[in-house]
Amino acid sequence: GAGVSQSPRYKVAKRGQDVALRCDPISGHVSLFWYQQALGQGPEFLTYFQNEAQLDKSGLPSDRFFAERPEGSVSTLKIQRTQQEDSAVYLCASSWTGSYGYTFGSGTRLTVV
Amino acid sequence: ELKVEQNPLFLSMQEGKNYTIYCNYSTTSDRLYWYRQDPGKSLESLFVLLSNGAVKQEGRLMASLDTKARLSTLHITAAVHDLSATYFCAEETSGSRLTFGEGTQLTVNP
Repeated sequence: GAGVSQSPRYKVAKRGQDVALRCDPISGHVSLFWYQQALGQGPEFLTYFQNEAQLDKSGLPSDRFFAERPEGSVSTLKIQRTQQEDSAVYLCASSWTGSYGYTFGSGTRLTVV
Repeated sequence: ELKVEQNPLFLSMQEGKNYTIYCNYSTTSDRLYWYRQDPGKSLESLFVLLSNGAVKQEGRLMASLDTKARLSTLHITAAVHDLSATYFCAEETSGSRLTFGEGTQLTVNP
């Protein structure tokens, strides 16, 4: 596709509910990243994939957060038993390996009520 | 601990004026990025600075990088209302992850 596509654009979840956020990167982009952006803050790194391999998940805030990219293209970020502090915008970015520059998607705004 | 500090965090300026946003970072990274974010929107890439002394300009914005001082600047010349947005700097660290600053919320008043 022409850009990084994320869905849904907005998600309201009741506390304790599980959610799944989808990222469709630019075709051919090997690297894929997830970031969490709280209101009024800069994005914070969550996890990084190169193809289907999750090379860095050190930014995931708890074991309730899980990300996968089984075929090396589309990625899903899953949050189990959502809490209010999970409310944020979740941004996905992709890039070519060995290059510089990242393309960000429009994000998913998650609100936990 | 990786840390990127921007200042000021809030900037209100008049159209036609000049100003500089500063970005201090903590590692020896040689790659520094500047992004723009409009309310409710995603991040738009402005500049990628790859080496010491790099200077890039696009329209009324100019970015520079001093890797020895671990400092990048974003200079705004003759500001216009359309530049109102939040500006983030980010350093690229090992593993290609970006560490972002808190952002500078710029408001340009007529």
